[in-house]
Parts: sequence; structure tokens; C-alpha cells
Amino acid sequence: QQQVKQSPQSLIVQKGGISIINCAYENTAFDYFPWYQQFPGKGPALLIAIRPDVSEKKEGRFTISFNKSAKQFSLHIMDSQPGDSATYFCAASKAGNTPLVFGKGTRLSVIA
Amino acid sequence: GAGVSQSPRYKVAKRGQDVALRCDPISGHVSLFWYQQALGQGPEFLTYFQNEAQLDKSGLPSDRFFAERPEGSVSTLKIQRTQQEDSAVYLCASSLGPALRGNGYTFGSGTRLTVV
Repeated sequence: QQQVKQSPQSLIVQKGGISIINCAYENTAFDYFPWYQQFPGKGPALLIAIRPDVSEKKEGRFTISFNKSAKQFSLHIMDSQPGDSATYFCAASKAGNTPLVFGKGTRLSVIA
Repeated sequence: GAGVSQSPRYKVAKRGQDVALRCDPISGHVSLFWYQQALGQGPEFLTYFQNEAQLDKSGLPSDRFFAERPEGSVSTLKIQRTQQEDSAVYLCASSLGPALRGNGYTFGSGTRLTVV
């Protein structure tokens, strides 16, 4: 059973546009929701993270929106750039010494 | 070191061969994790160490997989009698604190294992 469902699998966005990636989860014990960015041949790198006590977090061009009642969260990339082309993973974890659970990833291509 | 270092970067093994994958975490990081990433998939948890103690090995797919971190720093993931389904990128991550909450992992670049 996949604990974190991510969509879409792939996404093509024009330069300057907004990229939106969505994730849904079932386990209400999850209380930490990070997004990771992965370039080919590299490990995932933490991009931004949110806790369920806030509905939105913004860092530069990256924003996480969190809907606790719907058990959904999303990543918005404003003014998308070709350098943003990568695979993005949402993840979730519970309190305590529990590992991150990852979604299957979204391959983003930003075209000029 | 400045980041998490994994070696080798690439490993080709014949089916049935044993392999050992090494992870050097960031100096002083207490927590160390191993993940398996199949092609086109997200990382899947294998095992977790806090210092030298292996606190969770629930993700190891079979008893052919074994991990150790004897001195609480470098870790080795060993796969015995490799099978084709073991082909994947094996990622190591470390984290400063003992608890996972709020501590972002730092991942290494991984070891790509291909079993032929």
C-alpha cells in the first residue's frame, strides 16, 4: 500500500510558468511533510518542508500548500526556470524515530 | 566531510556475487539511513542507525541484505548472493539529530548497482 501518492508522474511547463505537484496521504499520524529535488546522478536534496500546524509555507519561488482535512499537500514553483528541471519527491514522516516515506516522484521539464 | 560520500559510485555484479556498499556520513551526524531507489521510483526505506545501534531494519527485503555501522560513523550495506531484482540505486543519508522530526536528511549521490 502506497502511503504517499504523488501526481502527476511528469510535467512540462513553459519558462516563467507555475509548476504544481500534488501529494495525498492516508496516515493521519504523519506530521512532517518535506519536498525533495533530485537531479540525474545525484541524491535527493531537501527543498522545503511543512508541518500540519500551518497551511502554507513559502521560500523564494517555492511554496507548499497544506490541506489537513483533505490530507493533501502541494508544491508550487513560481516563475519556473529551465534549471528547475528535475525530479521532485514529496515525503512524509511520523513523530519519533520513523523514516521518511516518499512518493514516486514527478519529472519536471521546464522549456524555454 | 562536507557531504555524505558513497562508494563505489557504480557496481556491476554477476548474479550470485556478494557486494558491499560503503557510506561515509557527515562528520558528527548521529542518524544514518539506507534507502533503495529503483529506476523511476521514489526512495524506499531499508534500515536506520542511531550511532552504532541499528534501530530499524524493517525495510530490508530479505535476509540477504545486511547493514552495519560498528563505530557509529561509516556504514556498510552488504548484499549476499545478488539477484537481478537487487539492481537499483542505493542511497545513504545522514541526519544531525537522533530524532527524525524536523531534521532534513542529507543524501549521498548513491551507488548504482547492476546485477547481470
